[in-house]
Amino acid sequence: AQSVAQPEDQVNVAEGNPLTVKCTYSVSGNPYLFWYVQYPNRGLQFLLKYITGDNLVKGSYGFEAEFNKSQTSFHLKKPSALVSDSALYFCAVRDSRNAGNMLTFGGGTRLMVKP
Amino acid sequence: KAGVTQTPRYLIKTRGQQVTLSCSPISGHRSVSWYQQTPGQGLQFLFEYFSETQRNKGNFPGRFSGRQFSNSRSEMNVSTLELGDSALYLCASSFLAGDFPNYEQYFGPGTRLTVT
Repeated sequence: AQSVAQPEDQVNVAEGNPLTVKCTYSVSGNPYLFWYVQYPNRGLQFLLKYITGDNLVKGSYGFEAEFNKSQTSFHLKKPSALVSDSALYFCAVRDSRNAGNMLTFGGGTRLMVKP
Repeated sequence: KAGVTQTPRYLIKTRGQQVTLSCSPISGHRSVSWYQQTPGQGLQFLFEYFSETQRNKGNFPGRFSGRQFSNSRSEMNVSTLELGDSALYLCASSFLAGDFPNYEQYFGPGTRLTVT
């Protein structure tokens, strides 16, 4: 079975400050990890992924994420937050042992960036 | 390249009716997945189709079904609608290519289904 936890329903940060959105996962095999962002009345937009290789993954819009196997975490980070980053963020995992593209999503974290 | 398109964008149905939602993947993508998004349950996987075959199925009742056509377009059907089926239904497409799979899925804008 595969599962994802996003422990924070909401993260508040001031514009210009660094931000972190937390994600932990559980899989039987190797994890394939993803971050998506959702703006109001829109679908999900892909930000970045970890499949294998470097633990620090860089993605769109200045976001990056760090894969930590021992802590089974994949936290999303950005050095300097923008007001326009305010949105709903989802972490997702796919177990390498599962064929196909079935993703399991976390419950989402609402990011609020204040001017 | 055009993104994933879903039609219709909004739909209002009455309990007991059935509904069909359509999804056109990104050109060249052969995998189409469907997800249901609700405030209470979050994002849940419904099913995935690849080359017209259902490859995975989530934990949903048999009222939820889908299919994929030879051009990779997909439809999902919900029969005997219940109030709890009100949700945003998201379609995602992905390109799989042998030993060099591209794992990210690209999502459409969704179909907002309201059951009254």
